[in-house]
Amino acid sequence: TQLLEQSPQFLSIQEGENLTVYCNSSSVFSSLQWYRQEPGEGPVLLVTVVTGGEVKKLKRLTFQFGDARKDSSLHITAAQPGDTGLYLCAGPTQGGSEKLVFGKGTKLTVNP
Amino acid sequence: DARVTQTPRHKVTEMGQEVTMRCQPILGHNTVFWYRQTMMQGLELLAYFRNRAPLDDSGMPKDRFSAEMPDATLATLKIQPSEPRDSAVYFCASGFGTGFGSEAFFGQGTRLTVV
Repeated sequence: TQLLEQSPQFLSIQEGENLTVYCNSSSVFSSLQWYRQEPGEGPVLLVTVVTGGEVKKLKRLTFQFGDARKDSSLHITAAQPGDTGLYLCAGPTQGGSEKLVFGKGTKLTVNP
Repeated sequence: DARVTQTPRHKVTEMGQEVTMRCQPILGHNTVFWYRQTMMQGLELLAYFRNRAPLDDSGMPKDRFSAEMPDATLATLKIQPSEPRDSAVYFCASGFGTGFGSEAFFGQGTRLTVV
């Protein structure tokens, strides 16, 4: 069974600080996705990384896929209260690329 | 603004009652997913459909759960009889199902409480 472990589980920081959250697995994934979920809403896709070593930037968010395609990280620069939410990583299962397995997420709180 | 619509948003029911959750996927999407989210387990895939045909329901307790797509604009998830352990947020998502990297668009979820 492919599992995605996310750390830390909770993170509370002040506005303006930088942070990194992690998504790790013992399995190789063909791609990984990052979602953000706000309270009372469904997850919204932020990015998909496909190539080992790939780095993608989305404004203040930087996503990296590990060289071995077993892990990924999300770095946020100068965090803002609007970044508050649950950050989930997800990857396709071996049984079918449309089936996603999700990590349990990192709950980020950015205090003003 | 295309979005996945789920009804009801909230449902409180007594143990043993039937619960039906509905989902209207985004027009044109050919893949529909049902997920369940709890604090303990996170997001778990229950079932999914492509072109209205069920492809996988291995994540679903089949003795009480059933999922159907009567037409391209409606997906349903039914629990009969409901149990307290079914309390969770149920999400429907739709997508184009073109392979890896396909984006899943999620609805706002149905928060189910079984007492």
